[in-house]
Amino acid sequence: EIVLTQSPDTLSLSPGERATLSCRASQNISSSYLAWYQQKPGQAPRLLIYGASSRATGIPDRFSGSGSGTDFTLTITRLEPEDFALYYCQQYGSAPTFGGGTKVEIK
Amino acid sequence: QVHLQESGPGLVKPSETLSLTCAVSGYSISSGYYWGWIRQPPGKGLEWIGSVYHSGGSYYNPSPKSRVTISLDTSKNQLSLKLSSVTAADTAVYYCARHMAGYCTNTGCYGGAFDIWGQGTMVTVSS
Repeated sequence: EIVLTQSPDTLSLSPGERATLSCRASQNISSSYLAWYQQKPGQAPRLLIYGASSRATGIPDRFSGSGSGTDFTLTITRLEPEDFALYYCQQYGSAPTFGGGTKVEIK
Repeated sequence: QVHLQESGPGLVKPSETLSLTCAVSGYSISSGYYWGWIRQPPGKGLEWIGSVYHSGGSYYNPSPKSRVTISLDTSKNQLSLKLSSVTAADTAVYYCARHMAGYCTNTGCYGGAFDIWGQGTMVTVSS
């Protein structure tokens, strides 16, 4: 099983600031089968990024993904009020797994 | 627009079988894609349960693989989840979701990221 470790657990930032979220895998993720999701309380997760760096349909360009191998990053360039939420990374290999999540909260 | 809607009992007794269905509208599941189930215990993270392809192929999380059956009913355009011998640890919000276009490797074929999700249904295991 590929274990995904997200850091930090919580990120306290102000609107307009830049957010950098990390996702580290216990082994190489082939072909960058890595996705990022946003989840708000009481809602289902929403796909943001797939293939490590491709934005899903309708996702604003302030969200970007990068990385390969075992280290991946989600960057939100300028936080909007609606961006304060929980973020998960996921690898979608032969046995998909999710990271533990990073909460982005208002400072 | 593709829409997924989970349904099923909100309360299941320990040792019984949890049965959920996911109605798909806006797309015929027999046309393609992998379809999966994911769960989220209260206050915790996401756990993939398993996924099934329209032609019948499937793959499951090794835990709780032995207790899980996921199937597609193309006549009703829905997918189902059965989880047997449930315990309190199976208490969670259960989501169905569609995978993006899949891919194949030398070990098999699998779904992509989950691009469309149902709203989720809470299931509590308690006597």
